[in-house]
Amino acid sequence: QVQLQQSGPGLVKPSQTLSLTCAISGDSVSSNSVAWNWIRQSPSRGLEWLGRTYYRSKKSRWSYDYAPSVKSRVTINPDTSKNQFSLQLNSVTPEDTAVYYCVRDYLWAFDSWGQGTLVTVSS
Amino acid sequence: EVVLTQSPGTLSLSPGERATLSCRASQSVSVTQLSWYQYKPGQPPRLLIYGASSRATGIPDRFSGSGSGTDFTLTISGLQPEDSAVYYCQQYSSSPLTFGPGTKVEIK
Repeated sequence: QVQLQQSGPGLVKPSQTLSLTCAISGDSVSSNSVAWNWIRQSPSRGLEWLGRTYYRSKKSRWSYDYAPSVKSRVTINPDTSKNQFSLQLNSVTPEDTAVYYCVRDYLWAFDSWGQGTLVTVSS
Repeated sequence: EVVLTQSPGTLSLSPGERATLSCRASQSVSVTQLSWYQYKPGQPPRLLIYGASSRATGIPDRFSGSGSGTDFTLTISGLQPEDSAVYYCQQYSSSPLTFGPGTKVEIK
């Protein structure tokens, strides 16, 4: 059974960088059949997909896909040595306050979710 | 971007009744790439239905999904008190991946 364990600060100052990590157990970040996503949830924006990364051995490379709403500010990186992946969101504002989830997708659905991290952007 | 619209916004029903939730897409979504999730406060969303009609592992058979193209439905037959939640549809047909705004199901 896949388990995703999130870590990272719950408070970030405006204009700084939000950084979260998601440790994977029961699967591999390099798995060929899944992708690794970050999704956030807030009362004002609902559930919002931020982006994903995935590896395909056929192409021997990692791929990345980001939502246009955050594309200029977001980076998702895999870490094969630790079997985890991370989210960095630059230049945050109070509008980035949300619960952030790391999520696996398999067969075009989000089937495993981290526990969620409430990140508040405030000075 | 594929915009998903859900109706009604809120559904208030008694235990044992049937709930019918609608999800409409702004453009055609592949039937294999439409999912439904259940959200309860304090928990991450839970996958209920994938591929428009396949139940995820451990999901009771009172939950069923149907539809194709731009119109999809989640049906909860024989509502239980624990079904009180917000239900979201989500599409994977094109990036950015998007969710609907949700339907809140209240049990009287």
